[in-house]
Amino acid sequence: NAGVTQTPKFQVLKTGQSMTLQCAQDMNHEYMSWYRQDPGMGLRLIHYSVGAGITDQGEVPNGYNVSRSTTEDFPLRLLSAAPSQTSVYFCASSYRLRETQYFGPGTRLLVL
Amino acid sequence: AQRVTQPEKLLSVFKGAPVELKCNYSYSGSPELFWYVQYSRQRLQLLLRHISRESIKGFTADLNKGETSFHLKKPFAQEEDSAMYYCALLTGNQFYFGTGTSLTVIP
Repeated sequence: NAGVTQTPKFQVLKTGQSMTLQCAQDMNHEYMSWYRQDPGMGLRLIHYSVGAGITDQGEVPNGYNVSRSTTEDFPLRLLSAAPSQTSVYFCASSYRLRETQYFGPGTRLLVL
Repeated sequence: AQRVTQPEKLLSVFKGAPVELKCNYSYSGSPELFWYVQYSRQRLQLLLRHISRESIKGFTADLNKGETSFHLKKPFAQEEDSAMYYCALLTGNQFYFGTGTSLTVIP
């Protein structure tokens, strides 16, 4: 049981580049979510999904896209990276919405 | 609008002393509140949630709807309690996290 995995661990992008942050879980969890963590801001929800084929926006969705074609995977796409997207990104999953959320190790993104 | 407020960024207590980490929330409905903890070099993990009314690692938290608070308490702090603590509010399908409190327990 790998739990929640995220790749890459660290990434440097130039302004305007696009990339996909990968998130996968092997626990058959329905609820998956993406957060960004910035100094002094705590974790802020970007997008979430309550099941395969269903996604919705969180608190800070602008500049990001998600899809949930399978229960296991929930990739986060940066369409055109901006320096303001420099952050640490966490993926999380839970069996149901109100159950324990399990977090991934995080992806540190630097946009130059 | 800030829905979860943790007023203390840093908190230091001596080993064996009581500790209280403050959390206030803003929500007009019935809140669901959680405490998450991140120990050094570990992933963020659930500590406790108010609906369970449980005590985990000696920590408890009581929901006070009148004061809109969900403070985390432990009567006798241990060195292994040193960590970053986040209060979180669930409204609808979305979680809102506070900015966190870094707790240091001094030996």
